[in-house]
Amino acid sequence: AQSVTQLDSQVPVFEEAPVELRCNYSSSVSVYLFWYVQYPNQGLQLLLKYLSGSTLVKSINGFEAEFNKSQTSFHLRKPSVHISDTAEYFCAVKRIGVAAGNKLTFGGGTRVLVKP
Amino acid sequence: GAVVSQHPSRVICKSGTSVKIECRSLDFQATTMFWYRQFPKQSLMLMATSNEGSKATYEQGVEKDKFLINHASLTLSTLTVTSAHPEDSSFYICSARSRTGNEQYFGPGTRLTVT
Repeated sequence: AQSVTQLDSQVPVFEEAPVELRCNYSSSVSVYLFWYVQYPNQGLQLLLKYLSGSTLVKSINGFEAEFNKSQTSFHLRKPSVHISDTAEYFCAVKRIGVAAGNKLTFGGGTRVLVKP
Repeated sequence: GAVVSQHPSRVICKSGTSVKIECRSLDFQATTMFWYRQFPKQSLMLMATSNEGSKATYEQGVEKDKFLINHASLTLSTLTVTSAHPEDSSFYICSARSRTGNEQYFGPGTRLTVT
């Protein structure tokens, strides 16, 4: 089985400051990694994903995450946040392989509150 | 592309009644759909996985007779909460995956309140 730990349940940050959301995972097999964002009373939106290739992946709205296999981490960063980045962020993993099924395992979520 | 809708977005029902929630993939064929439950300020909990044309696979601890899932077509899955009770009040989110995709696309969620 796999598990995902998001070390920070809440992260307050001032507008235009950088933010880092930590995500560590545990799995006996290789995984794909995802970050999702959830705005209040809405479903999840895919922010970015790592499937293979370059370990640094970027989204169109300034977020980036780096896959570190040795540390089993996939931390999310943004160099300068906006008020509109206030949301809940979920890290998730999916085991690779047909036999692994299609289930996502989510972390507990990190609530980001951007202050003016 | 890859849009998933849910209906209704909000529903209030009385204790003892049943409620049906629909999940549709609008622009792709969803061979697999997932149903999640999310309590306030908590993460998503997978309830069940359904493949088109076959019975749903429920996660441990989820009552299959209470949460009926039907995935009758490649674009529609339904979750019926039978004999709802106040403790069933929650945010229910579905997601869908195509045959060849590696990611799930999520619906906007349905907030169920049982009075």
